[in-house]
Amino acid sequence: KNEVEQSPQNLTAQEGEFITINCSYSVGISALHWLQQHPGGGIVSLFMLSSGKKKHGRLIATINIQEKHSSLHITASHPRDSAVYICAVSRGGADGLTFGKGTHLIIQP
Amino acid sequence: EAGVAQSPRYKIIEKRQSVAFWCNPISGHATLYWYQQILGQGPKLLIQFQNNGVVDDSQLPKDRFSAERLKGVDSTLKIQPAKLEDSAVYLCASSLDRGQELFFGEGSRLTVL
Repeated sequence: KNEVEQSPQNLTAQEGEFITINCSYSVGISALHWLQQHPGGGIVSLFMLSSGKKKHGRLIATINIQEKHSSLHITASHPRDSAVYICAVSRGGADGLTFGKGTHLIIQP
Repeated sequence: EAGVAQSPRYKIIEKRQSVAFWCNPISGHATLYWYQQILGQGPKLLIQFQNNGVVDDSQLPKDRFSAERLKGVDSTLKIQPAKLEDSAVYLCASSLDRGQELFFGEGSRLTVL
């Protein structure tokens, strides 16, 4: 079993829909990261959080430390949000991130 | 502010040849990471530097991979000899210090034929 599990693996939605991507982890962490990767492009950090909730524009990230679960929400989705969204964790005592396999999101106009 | 720079963006080589990738982190960032991302998978940490010292290279295949960050700024990752399974995107990332937010470069895509 992977230490970081994401769901769904693939998601296709219509423009304007509310999107939720989930991440569960099985190890102790110091922080959880949500990252965005466009086809052929590099990775952009969206959020780094260790508790509660963060909001940036139309993106919202939440984390429940007790349940070892995090969600990334996109409100009023747009085709330019189409990308792979990756959940990654920083483990206590180790700095390098442990990555999930990513969620491939397609927003259709 | 300039981001993390990587080169080359693309490289095609034949198996058993050698290749080198270069990374220049954001100015002032002490921590530098090299990740390998095979198609369809999440990135895997190869090596982490703190300034010019190695923090973690436990997943680096040391029989063929080497990396250095001699002056604690830019870094090179070398593969010699390359195997077919080394085909991947090699991502460099940096952070101000350990445990801080990571900033990624565009990656270097390697195809081994």
